[in-house]
Amino acid sequence: AQKITQTQPGMFVQEKEAVTLDCTYDTSDPSYGLFWYKQPSSGEMIFLIYQGSYDQQNATEGRYSLNFQKARKSANLVISASQLGDSAMYFCAMREPNFNKFYFGSGTKLNVKP
Amino acid sequence: GAVVSQHPSWVICKSGTSVKIECRSLDFQATTMFWYRQFPKQSLMLMATSNEGSKATYEQGVEKDKFLINHASLTLSTLTVTSAHPEDSSFYICSAPGELSSYNEQFFGPGTRLTVL
Repeated sequence: AQKITQTQPGMFVQEKEAVTLDCTYDTSDPSYGLFWYKQPSSGEMIFLIYQGSYDQQNATEGRYSLNFQKARKSANLVISASQLGDSAMYFCAMREPNFNKFYFGSGTKLNVKP
Repeated sequence: GAVVSQHPSWVICKSGTSVKIECRSLDFQATTMFWYRQFPKQSLMLMATSNEGSKATYEQGVEKDKFLINHASLTLSTLTVTSAHPEDSSFYICSAPGELSSYNEQFFGPGTRLTVL
């Protein structure tokens, strides 16, 4: 069964606007971690933001925020004030607690238009 | 922050040859490292968990005899693609858990692009 689902293969956003990238997850474990990574064309994986399953508040890191809806098992990434440099692939990931494994979604290709 | 390096960054080889990819944690020790494979425009697929001083744990469907993993020290894991074929052409990425980080996130290497002719 798919543990992480990203339903948006590609997204376009106008520069300076906000964009939401969707992510849903599936786990029966009460303790888990959710991550978002950015992968530019160079291939490197850049950590953006983290949300723990027990965190009461939504995580924020600069222009990135995570809309965590635990009951719906969703962890959407919100990028505010999009910049041209935000154009990249974005992956949602979940960490399995016992073995430290990461499971990745299929990714969303974000294109920021000038 | 924690840095993970990979070498080489890209490699082209002939079909039937073996290729070794190194993954190093530069400023921290990693008893566990992970190897992923990423095909173009696809997600990262976990191949195996590399354990220092013991055998690697392979994900279902990954041939352990084809993808040899050795984790000889606390800072180095190697992935050897044996008898490579064109279908093995892919982007290979390693990662190591950041045990000292607040989130215990994975620190990723820059990746190795393998092309088998």
